[in-house]
Amino acid sequence: QLQLQESGPGLVKPSETLSLTCTVSGGSFSSGSFYWGWLRQPPGKGLEWIATTYYSESLYYNPSLKSRVTISVDTSKNQLSLRLTSVTAADTAIYYCATTPDLARYDYWGQGILVTVSS
Amino acid sequence: QSALAQPPSASGSPGHSVTISCTGTSSDIGYYNSVSWYQQHPGKAPKLMIYEVTKRPSGVPGRFSGSKSGNTASLTVSGLQAEDEAVYYCSSYAGNNNVIFGGGTKLTVL
Repeated sequence: QLQLQESGPGLVKPSETLSLTCTVSGGSFSSGSFYWGWLRQPPGKGLEWIATTYYSESLYYNPSLKSRVTISVDTSKNQLSLRLTSVTAADTAIYYCATTPDLARYDYWGQGILVTVSS
Repeated sequence: QSALAQPPSASGSPGHSVTISCTGTSSDIGYYNSVSWYQQHPGKAPKLMIYEVTKRPSGVPGRFSGSKSGNTASLTVSGLQAEDEAVYYCSSYAGNNNVIFGGGTKLTVL
């Protein structure tokens, strides 16, 4: 059973860069069977797709966030990374990493990590 | 792309059925058969319940079913059980490698 675990700072200051890592276990990260993505959920609100990658060969970004987002995969560490620059309070959310076989549905999710943007 | 439209709440009694709607446009739900539904309990990650409009992942009870007509997709939960109480989100592929979500519907089992 594939397991995903997000990690990173829980508090980021406005205008700074949010950096998160997703570590994958319980499966073959390098199997080439999935795309890997990041999604987020502001407290008490709905879900928003951020970005998805296929082992860094193909990168897909939400147009509303594209200018501030970078994602990458490190297969040697079984990790997916997210960088979001110039954060504001509106970026406060639970951030999830997840897998998708087809860019349309997300089947395995991490437990999520709450990131608060505040000075 | 705009978010998909879901009613904020729905309710039903144990053993009964409830249907949750999800309205999009001819560019997302109406064009692609890539509607998914997720169940989210408080403090938990979303769980995929339905994909490609009608398909259920392994382990999801047959009480959950999906359908689509035009620009509107629906999730039906039959034989409601207490553990079905959760927030349900719909999503749709929207082209150009984008996926969009609805605002969520809180299902209450009376």
